[in-house]
Amino acid sequence: QVQLQESGPGLVEPSQTLSLTCTVSGGSISSGSYYWSWVRQPAGKGLEWIGRIYTSGSTNYNPSLKSRVTISVDTSKNQFSLRLSSVTAADTAVYYCAREGPYGGKGPWGQGTLVTVSS
Amino acid sequence: QTVVTQEPSFSVSPGGTVTLTCGLSSGSVSTNYYPSWYQQTPGQSPRTLIYSTYTRSSGVPDRFSGSILGNKAALTITGAQADDESDYYCVLSLGSGISVFGGGTKLTVL
Repeated sequence: QVQLQESGPGLVEPSQTLSLTCTVSGGSISSGSYYWSWVRQPAGKGLEWIGRIYTSGSTNYNPSLKSRVTISVDTSKNQFSLRLSSVTAADTAVYYCAREGPYGGKGPWGQGTLVTVSS
Repeated sequence: QTVVTQEPSFSVSPGGTVTLTCGLSSGSVSTNYYPSWYQQTPGQSPRTLIYSTYTRSSGVPDRFSGSILGNKAALTITGAQADDESDYYCVLSLGSGISVFGGGTKLTVL
């Protein structure tokens, strides 16, 4: 059974770059027609789709974040990563990684990791 | 900018039936948007309920069903139980591989 786990710094300074990694276990990140996505949720607010990557390297990003987001994949490590540049307090959120099926369904999900932007 | 709309809150009596909807700020939702639905309780990751409009995710009881009602996607919960009290989010897949979440519906069972 595929499982996902986010990792990365819990605190990032304003204007710096947020970097997170999602490690996939229980299956190969390259198998099946799946995308690998990032979603975030500020405290007390709703979910926001950040973007996704296919194992070929093809990406899709939320237009509102596109200028600051980079998602990459390392199939040798069974991982994919998120980089969000020029962060502000508004980027403080729980960040989730999730597998995304070819028809939009997202799951399984990682447990989420809280990233706080503060000096 | 495309906005996906959901009822902010809804309540249902135990054993009752409730239908939550997912619409577009402009236009109609169809199966071409591959609507999916997620349940989230505080402090937990989302749980996938429905994808591609109608398909229940593995392990999801058949009390949960997805459909298109009029110009919106819909999630119907029959025989509501106390542990159905959660936040429910829909997602629509737009063109160019972009997904948009609705604002979520807070469901109260009382």
